[in-house]
Amino acid sequence: DIRLTQSPTSLSASVGDRVTITCRASESILRYLNWYQQKPGKAPVLLIYSSSTSQSGAPSRFSGSGSGTDFTLTISSLQPEDFATYYCQQSYINPSTFGQGTKLDIK
Amino acid sequence: EVQLVQSGAEVKKPGESLKISCKTSGYSFTNHWIGWVRQMPGKGLEWMGIIYPGDSDVRYSPSFRGQVTISADKSSATAYLQWSRLKSSDTAVYYCARHGRMVAQEGNWFDSWGQGTLVTVSS
Repeated sequence: DIRLTQSPTSLSASVGDRVTITCRASESILRYLNWYQQKPGKAPVLLIYSSSTSQSGAPSRFSGSGSGTDFTLTISSLQPEDFATYYCQQSYINPSTFGQGTKLDIK
Repeated sequence: EVQLVQSGAEVKKPGESLKISCKTSGYSFTNHWIGWVRQMPGKGLEWMGIIYPGDSDVRYSPSFRGQVTISADKSSATAYLQWSRLKSSDTAVYYCARHGRMVAQEGNWFDSWGQGTLVTVSS
């Protein structure tokens, strides 16, 4: 299976900060990398697919980039509703796999 | 509007069987893969497998193959996840989710999710 490693695993930041989360794959997955946001007790929500394509309805402050093995999710200016856990997912080959998650909380 | 509505929470004993459901609406059920994702208490997301309702083709993660069965009923546009003998380690929230791109098995993403079904297995 392809392993995804997110860093950091947790992060404290303030409203208005620019935040970057990294996802590294154990082998090349081309651009088949998706990002989800999950709040406590809720289902995940798709933010970005195919590395850099924004899902309809996702706020424009969220952006993704990368290819091969290294990917990033950037939040340009943190808003109070962005404090959540973020997961990357590779869909290059089955079984699809998720990263371990990055918990973003308020500093 | 695409909707996935899952069955309610379950409390079961070890060794019992269980089948949970994911009823869909608002799109062509037979043209999109549907997946199941496990989230154990306080843990991350785990991809269990996907099914293509058009022909019931199923792909399992090796971690879950033989442990669960994924199925779908075209007549009711519903996907299912079932266990024949539950274990305490099956305690988790289970989500169903739809692939956003029609037909494609890989290179896809989950664009719509059910609300989750909490399964508690305890003696």
